[in-house]
Amino acid sequence: DAGVIQSPRHEVTEMGQEVTLRCKPISGHDYLFWYRQTMMRGLELLIYFNNNVPIDDSGMPEDRFSAKMPNASFSTLKIQPSEPRDSAVYFCAARREGTGELFFGEGSRLTVL
Amino acid sequence: GENVEQHPSTLSVQEGDSAVIKCTYSDSASNYFPWYKQELGKRPQLIIDIRSNVGEKKDQRIAVTLNKTAKHFSLHITETQPEDSAVYFCAASFGEAGTASKLTFGTGTRLQVTL
Repeated sequence: DAGVIQSPRHEVTEMGQEVTLRCKPISGHDYLFWYRQTMMRGLELLIYFNNNVPIDDSGMPEDRFSAKMPNASFSTLKIQPSEPRDSAVYFCAARREGTGELFFGEGSRLTVL
Repeated sequence: GENVEQHPSTLSVQEGDSAVIKCTYSDSASNYFPWYKQELGKRPQLIIDIRSNVGEKKDQRIAVTLNKTAKHFSLHITETQPEDSAVYFCAASFGEAGTASKLTFGTGTRLQVTL
């Protein structure tokens, strides 16, 4: 298993543009999480899925943020329109079924100018 | 919901000394407490975890203690080495049989081990 794979690793975009972050979780997972990390707020949980179903999206900051998980192998986090305050590292993490351990991806560093 | 506080925010120790990081949690139902290490520019990775039916767990130079009554848990690193320099995050969650789902993270402790 190659682990959790995220793309893109880095993205620089201008305010108002749409941003789509992608995640391919590990096989044998049951939960998938999207976190945002900034210096000011640390690791914030945005949304998580259980068996591809969204369970809790209370951490999604605004309606500009949306996430989908169409199947067990793929999830997206979309920001539209993006704003400079969205600049952060976005992590996708998957929990291996039957355990408590989260496996994080390498993260997507987003810069909105 | 759960709230996790972590102290200190930064910690500098000399190589060979011990380091202690402390966390408190608010939800008495929480029963799973992992610690993650994040090196600069890398992803967080699990280093040790403890469940509420255990008071202490040790793995080589790393140990975690849990006080359920006081609702706090601590990470202890002995004989620190330069490669221990990183940001450490504590977390707490509730789940059956340790299969906790939603983790709430502390704000992190930046540990610097100096030569």
